[in-house]
Amino acid sequence: ELKVEQNPLFLSMQEGKNYTIYCNYSTTSDRLYWYRQDPGKSLESLFVLLSNGAVKQEGRLMASLDTKARLSTLHITAAVHDLSATYFCAVDSGGSNYKLTFGKGTLLTVNP
Amino acid sequence: DSGVTQTPKHLITATGQRVTLRCSPRSGDLSVYWYQQSLDQGLQFLIQYYNGEERAKGNILERFSAQQFPDLHSELNLSSLELGDSALYFCASSVAGAKRGQQYFGPGTRLTVL
Repeated sequence: ELKVEQNPLFLSMQEGKNYTIYCNYSTTSDRLYWYRQDPGKSLESLFVLLSNGAVKQEGRLMASLDTKARLSTLHITAAVHDLSATYFCAVDSGGSNYKLTFGKGTLLTVNP
Repeated sequence: DSGVTQTPKHLITATGQRVTLRCSPRSGDLSVYWYQQSLDQGLQFLIQYYNGEERAKGNILERFSAQQFPDLHSELNLSSLELGDSALYFCASSVAGAKRGQQYFGPGTRLTVL
């Protein structure tokens, strides 16, 4: 059974600082997704990583995937308050269906 | 706005009752997925339909069932409701083709069982 572990689960940062969220998964997969969720809201797709070594950047967020290490990272550069949210990584099981297994999420709070 | 719609937005009901949640996928998407989000279990995959046929099943209880209709909208039926069924239920859709796995989530239905 595919397991996805995120750490840290809670992250309190000061504005302007950098930090990294880690996502480890237990079985071979080359498809990993990052989502953002604001309180009481839906999931917003941030990044789709589809191959080993994939790196995607959007604003202050950068995601990467190392399929050999079964590890993805979400790096936050010079955090701002608007980045406060819960971030989820998700891995699909492969094969003929594309169901996603989610990590528990990282609650990020950026303080002024 | 992802283009996925879900109704109702909120649902409050009593234990033992039955409810139906509805989802309309993005135009052109053939796959519909249902997820449950709760504080205890996090985000859990329930079931997937592709073009009217069940494709994958996750941690879906026997009291729950789903279907996808010819117009591709989907319904999730929850019966004999228990307090622990209170959660946010999301529907997602995808093309399930060239953009493998890219799932777009609806706004969710918040179910409260009293």
